[in-house]
Amino acid sequence: NAGVTQTPKFQVLKTGQSMTLQCAQDMNHEYMSWYRQDPGMGLRLIHYSVGAGITDQGEVPNGYNVSRSTTEDFPLRLLSAAPSQTSVYFCASRPGGGYTEAFFGQGTRLTVV
Amino acid sequence: DAKTTQPPSMDCAEGRAANLPCNHSTISGNEYVYWYRQIHSQGPQYIIHGLKNNETNEMASLIITEDRKSSTLILPHATLRDTAVYYCIVRVAINDYKLSFGAGTTVTVRA
Repeated sequence: NAGVTQTPKFQVLKTGQSMTLQCAQDMNHEYMSWYRQDPGMGLRLIHYSVGAGITDQGEVPNGYNVSRSTTEDFPLRLLSAAPSQTSVYFCASRPGGGYTEAFFGQGTRLTVV
Repeated sequence: DAKTTQPPSMDCAEGRAANLPCNHSTISGNEYVYWYRQIHSQGPQYIIHGLKNNETNEMASLIITEDRKSSTLILPHATLRDTAVYYCIVRVAINDYKLSFGAGTTVTVRA
């Protein structure tokens, strides 16, 4: 059982480049979300989804796009990378309803130069 | 969502109990207390959650005061592998797809 899988684990981008961070889960979870974590800080929510075809913005959505065409996948797109987007990105999933725990991927460490 | 206050850091001796406090004085009646931890920049890991009764699982115990304004996470026999940042989060359970992480408490377990 793979859980939540994020790819790539590390990435270096040049300012202005675009890329997609991949997130896949094999637990048939309804809810998925993306967070970023800057050095010494807690996690901040970027975007989330409560089911296929449904997405919404979190605390820090600017510069990022998401889509949810399947239950399993929730990719995060950086449209035009900026140095301020240098961070560690975590994807999470959880079952629908209440009282459940969230499962996190191992993160993607992104550096924008 | 209710705000939480945690000490920035604490040390614990290996084999001893670690008691991690969290203040959530503005918690409302339908908000749960959740605890997660993050070991050395890995993805956060769920530990436990509760509403008003004390809870225990294989990882930890959660003690919530009667007025629910504070709680304590107890790691009964801390090991070196418990060194991590511990996050106390207060959230309405049904809508907790939006977990709000603060700075947490950095716990260092020493041999």
